[in-house]
Amino acid sequence: DAGITQSPRHKVTETGTPVTLRCHQTENHRYMYWYRQDPGHGLRLIHYSYGVKDTDKGEVSDGYSVSRSKTEDFLLTLESATSSQTSVYFCAISSTRNSNQPQHFGDGTRLSIL
Amino acid sequence: DQQVKQNSPSLSVQEGRISILNCDYTNSMFDYFLWYKKYPAEGPTFLISISSIKDKNEDGRFTVFLNKSAKHLSLHIVPSQPGDSAVYFCAVHNTGNQFYFGTGTSLTVIP
Repeated sequence: DAGITQSPRHKVTETGTPVTLRCHQTENHRYMYWYRQDPGHGLRLIHYSYGVKDTDKGEVSDGYSVSRSKTEDFLLTLESATSSQTSVYFCAISSTRNSNQPQHFGDGTRLSIL
Repeated sequence: DQQVKQNSPSLSVQEGRISILNCDYTNSMFDYFLWYKKYPAEGPTFLISISSIKDKNEDGRFTVFLNKSAKHLSLHIVPSQPGDSAVYFCAVHNTGNQFYFGTGTSLTVIP
């Protein structure tokens, strides 16, 4: 299994508080991604990174920011959490962005915002 | 707008029979198609893929079929086993290097 660790695995917090989710990889892969999974929507891309300090927006980036200061770590921050951001968040990695290279996913973080 | 649709949220199949999971997509420019499998409390894992230049790819019990004219993708599992019970996501890749995922189909294989 690809070495991907997401932390925390579960978090409950209140509206308006800042939240940071961490994705740590041991595969030295260049590309890292954050997705959210919601009923009726499947997985949707929030942000991705194509190298240290290189990031770009995905399909549903509003309300989220990311940082990648080291190859192995990709952080997702909700500056002021809202109830609509209650979701399961998955980190994924890949060695290339070629279409034939599947992404490897972490086990997810379940985030509840009350 | 949903780029990829899996219209069946759930499917139940008897052990040993064939499971057929379906996926429809909207954009003829997608160049690669993938299936992922997901167990509860785990992340999705890659199962099988197919390039847009092919119409069939087989890997053991799993076969993916691509019908480009109908913009339709299907996954066949033969024979189905109880361990195949999971949520299956189809995903498509576009030339802009983004993946789009379907909403998933929950497969239950009944022993």
